[in-house]
Amino acid sequence: KQEVTQIPAALSVPEGENLVLNCSFTDSAIYNLQWFRQDPGKGLTSLLLIQSSQREQTSGRLNASLDKSSGRSTLYIAASQPGDSATYLCAGRYGGATNKLIFGTGTLLAVQP
Amino acid sequence: EAQVTQNPRYLITVTGKKLTVTCSQNMNHEYMSWYRQDPGLGLRQIYYSMNVEVTDKGDVPEGYKVSRKEKRNFPLILESPSPNQTSLYFCASMGSGSDTQYFGPGTRLTVL
Repeated sequence: KQEVTQIPAALSVPEGENLVLNCSFTDSAIYNLQWFRQDPGKGLTSLLLIQSSQREQTSGRLNASLDKSSGRSTLYIAASQPGDSATYLCAGRYGGATNKLIFGTGTLLAVQP
Repeated sequence: EAQVTQNPRYLITVTGKKLTVTCSQNMNHEYMSWYRQDPGLGLRQIYYSMNVEVTDKGDVPEGYKVSRKEKRNFPLILESPSPNQTSLYFCASMGSGSDTQYFGPGTRLTVL
């Protein structure tokens, strides 16, 4: 069964700290992995997408990595800011017509000023 | 602005009263999908559509219907809502040749 797990479920850090969010998946035959940010009332915003052939992607202060052999992805946030406070979701997409994303349950991040 | 819109954003209803949640995208995307999000379970796919008049079940389709008569619209229909359908619902779309899925703002549904 394809499952995605995120640890920790919640994280609180002081402003300015670098942090890592973890995502693990059970099926290494992943097509791509996408990191989302969820803000209350605003839906999901795509942050980074890593194809199965890639090792990492970067956007500004965000860097996401993918290690298929170990079934892990990490989202690194540099110099965290209070505006980064949100729930972060990772989702794996596998082959097939459904284009279904299999989501983790998310990490709730609070960056304290 | 490229976006996925959903209406209504919030809805409180009673058991058995038929309702429709609309989803519309302005990006000419072929693929559209519905998810529900529940605490501890994450987002799960309800139905998806590869193109106009092409729909299929996701992982949790029971109690739901969809239609895709136009490319931009993908409504979710609850013929006889029950309290276990209380959830946060998201619509998503994706263009052919792209791998990024775009999500709407969500519809919070409460069935009493």
